[in-house]
Amino acid sequence: EAGVAQSPRYKIIEKRQSVAFWCNPISGHATLYWYQQILGQGPKLLIQFQNNGVVDDSQLPKDRFSAERLKGVDSTLKIQPAKLEDSAVYLCASSLLQGRFYEQYFGPGTRLTVT
Amino acid sequence: GQNIDQPTEMTATEGAIVQINCTYQTSGFNGLFWYQQHAGEAPTFLSYNVLDGLEEKGRFSSFLSRSKGYSYLLLKELQMKDSASYLCAVRGSTPLVFGKGTRLSVIA
Repeated sequence: EAGVAQSPRYKIIEKRQSVAFWCNPISGHATLYWYQQILGQGPKLLIQFQNNGVVDDSQLPKDRFSAERLKGVDSTLKIQPAKLEDSAVYLCASSLLQGRFYEQYFGPGTRLTVT
Repeated sequence: GQNIDQPTEMTATEGAIVQINCTYQTSGFNGLFWYQQHAGEAPTFLSYNVLDGLEEKGRFSSFLSRSKGYSYLLLKELQMKDSASYLCAVRGSTPLVFGKGTRLSVIA
């Protein structure tokens, strides 16, 4: 079974530029998550999708971050414009469903450096 | 809101046993997870507890006390490859919230 795919793996941009990340979840997984992990901290949920609908985006900085999941499969996360404090690893995860116990499978992440 | 506390760093000797503690405060409780994360890699699932007690899986065990808001991860027969960060995560009435992680160093 193929895992969660993410691209690019690394990205360096200057502040005020835009960047987009792509995620392809495990086939058949209805729930998709985007996390931000700053160095030395645990992952912080940015947005959760159930199929192509948003379940939770309470921690997404909506003035600069946006995400979509077209057709309930692939997802993109965009930052426009980027700030220095956006430097982090952006992790995509998927699970079969949402609920009490559905293990989340994480992708390798995209390491973003904003200079 | 939710608050999760775990020690920042721990060091243990190869072959020994180590216990990583996690205390939490949440509104609602729907399960506690432990994840392992090697440096530069994605987190991988280790264990899930929703009822009080001990769950054992090979060299790894996880314990939960809901009344105390407390969990621990027990690693036995430590190996060098166990050097990693261990993340405690709690699902309350909101989606999963992760602690900052405990960086475990296994030394010879």
